[in-house]
Amino acid sequence: KNQVEQSPQSLIILEGKNCTLQCNYTVSPFSNLRWYKQDTGRGPVSLTIMTFSENTKSNGRYTATLDADTKQSSLHITASQLSDSASYICVVSGDFGYGQNFVFGPGTRLSVLP
Amino acid sequence: DGGITQSPKYLFRKEGQNVTLSCEQNLNHDAMYWYRQDPGQGLRLIYYSQIVNDFQKGDIAEGYSVSREKKESFPLTVTSAQKNPTAFYLCASSPLRQGGQPQHFGDGTRLSIL
Repeated sequence: KNQVEQSPQSLIILEGKNCTLQCNYTVSPFSNLRWYKQDTGRGPVSLTIMTFSENTKSNGRYTATLDADTKQSSLHITASQLSDSASYICVVSGDFGYGQNFVFGPGTRLSVLP
Repeated sequence: DGGITQSPKYLFRKEGQNVTLSCEQNLNHDAMYWYRQDPGQGLRLIYYSQIVNDFQKGDIAEGYSVSREKKESFPLTVTSAQKNPTAFYLCASSPLRQGGQPQHFGDGTRLSIL
């Protein structure tokens, strides 16, 4: 069964600290992996997308890594800010049909405190 | 600015009532999607459409209906047959060449039962 798991479920850190969110998947065949940020009451916004051949991708203070062999990805946030408080969703896209070829993780809720 | 507009932001449904959620995009994207988001779960696909006048069921289509009469519009009707409609509904769109991965999301409609 194609699944995406994320850990931790929730995380609280102090402003200025770094943190790492994890994503494990069993989606096969694999096409690409994307991290989204979702603010409360808003739609998700794409942060990064990585294909099979890419093992790291950065977007400002966000750095995503991908290990396609172990089917794991991480999202590292550097020097966290209050505005980083949101849910972070890992989405894995497979190559098994057009409209239903992506699997969403449940998300990690990050709270950054002053 | 291009984007996806969902309306209304909040919606209440009475017993036995059908309600329609609006989704409009000005991104010139061919593909559009409807998702349902429940607490602690990943987004689940309700319906998707790759082209005008064509749409496909997703994983949880029962109790929902859609239409795609215009490229810009993809309204979702939650019928009285959907017994547990309370959720956050997200509309998304993407260009076909992105391999089906949603690119842009609207800011959602929160549906509750009266």
